Amino acid sequence: EVQVVQSGAEVKKPGESLKISCKGSGYSFPSYWIAWVRQMPGKGLEWMGIIYPGDSDTRYSPSFQGQVTISADKSITTAYLQWSSLKASDSAMYFCARRGPFDGSGYSLDYWGQGTLVTVSS
Amino acid sequence: EIVMTQSPATLSVSPGDRATLSCRASQSVSSNLAWYQQKPGQPPRLLIYDASTRATGIPARFSGSGSGTEFTLTISSLQSEDFAVYYCQQYNSWPPMYSFGQGTKLEIK
Repeated sequence: EVQVVQSGAEVKKPGESLKISCKGSGYSFPSYWIAWVRQMPGKGLEWMGIIYPGDSDTRYSPSFQGQVTISADKSITTAYLQWSSLKASDSAMYFCARRGPFDGSGYSLDYWGQGTLVTVSS
Repeated sequence: EIVMTQSPATLSVSPGDRATLSCRASQSVSSNLAWYQQKPGQPPRLLIYDASTRATGIPARFSGSGSGTEFTLTISSLQSEDFAVYYCQQYNSWPPMYSFGQGTKLEIK
């Protein structure tokens, strides 16, 4: 069974760093892209970027380039989203999702994590 | 960057009726279009991909149509569990890039 499980909620202060995780299981983790999606309180979904764990090829949305870093460790089937210096405006729910196979999902995002709530407040 | 625009922002429909949601792309995305359903406190759920193919386990009352820049999600005979927010999303095969519409909230009339 394919599963995507994210790390728990975080409460941080402005200026602090943070790394949240997304663990895939039940499939060949290195062979499927993992995307990150932001959802600010009461708002819609925003695509942040995507990584291929097999070789760490990473693409960012222009809106998030330079604001976050996406990485992956295929040996432990985990992808990461990190900030070096958080701002209050980074407070949001963050989802990771697997980019599915062409045959079966057409490259849409087929399996989603449960979300990680990040709260940044002084 | 491709901009996706959904309409209406909110749609009020009675249970048992049909709902029609629209999504427009700022440039052609061919049939590289997905629809997701999101309920409060849950992650999005894939409903439709390639504009018209239902994902595994999705009931037949959900159907998608369109290509190029104009797309439609139709839910025939609305059930109580269908009231949620719906997002369209375009995707590239290569490079892997995505963008979402702003969502349509489907509420009970």
